[in-house]
Amino acid sequence: NAGVTQTPKFQVLKTGQSMTLQCAQDMNHNSMYWYRQDPGMGLRLIYYSASEGTTDKGEVPNGYNVSRLNKREFSLRLESAAPSQTSVYFCASSGKFAGTFIQETQYFGPGTRLLVL
Amino acid sequence: QQQVKQSPQSLIVQKGGIPIINCAYENTAFDYFPWYQQFPGKGPALLIAIRPDVSEKKEGRFTISFNKSAKQFSLHIMDSQPGDSATYFCAASRAGGGNKLTFGTGTQLKVEL
Repeated sequence: NAGVTQTPKFQVLKTGQSMTLQCAQDMNHNSMYWYRQDPGMGLRLIYYSASEGTTDKGEVPNGYNVSRLNKREFSLRLESAAPSQTSVYFCASSGKFAGTFIQETQYFGPGTRLLVL
Repeated sequence: QQQVKQSPQSLIVQKGGIPIINCAYENTAFDYFPWYQQFPGKGPALLIAIRPDVSEKKEGRFTISFNKSAKQFSLHIMDSQPGDSATYFCAASRAGGGNKLTFGTGTQLKVEL
């Protein structure tokens, strides 16, 4: 049971290049999320997917696209990377089970560190 | 617009001390308030959470105090240990909001021997 996995762990891009960050979860969770973490700004939601087949914008969606490939996988794409997208990206998932807080608890992956030159 | 304000930005305490991290929120529709702990190079992990129908929740050495009228909540770490050195984030979400968490900016805690 790996939980939430993310690939790659680290990536360097040049301005204008594109890339896709991959995320997968093996907890049979319905909801998945993409966050970015920047110093002094906490974690900010980029996109989320409440269930398979649905996606919606979060707080900072500009410059990103997402795909909920199936229940397990949720990818984040940067079509034309910019230096402002240098950040640490976290994927998370949450379930929908009965019980206090179980459905709200978000489980995070280890993160992808992205540097855009 | 920052809906969850967290302070202090950093905190240094001696082993055995009681660090306190504070958060204030604006949206009265928030009804779930978790704290996440993050170690360097790792993703955040849920530490403890509270709903506004109680004023305090305790799990081991970690306690959340909640003041609904003031729209504030805080994390207390009793008998702090060097292993508690990490970054702590408060967060909030509302029912019907798709479980979207709004995070505070984080507090970097260092517990010294």
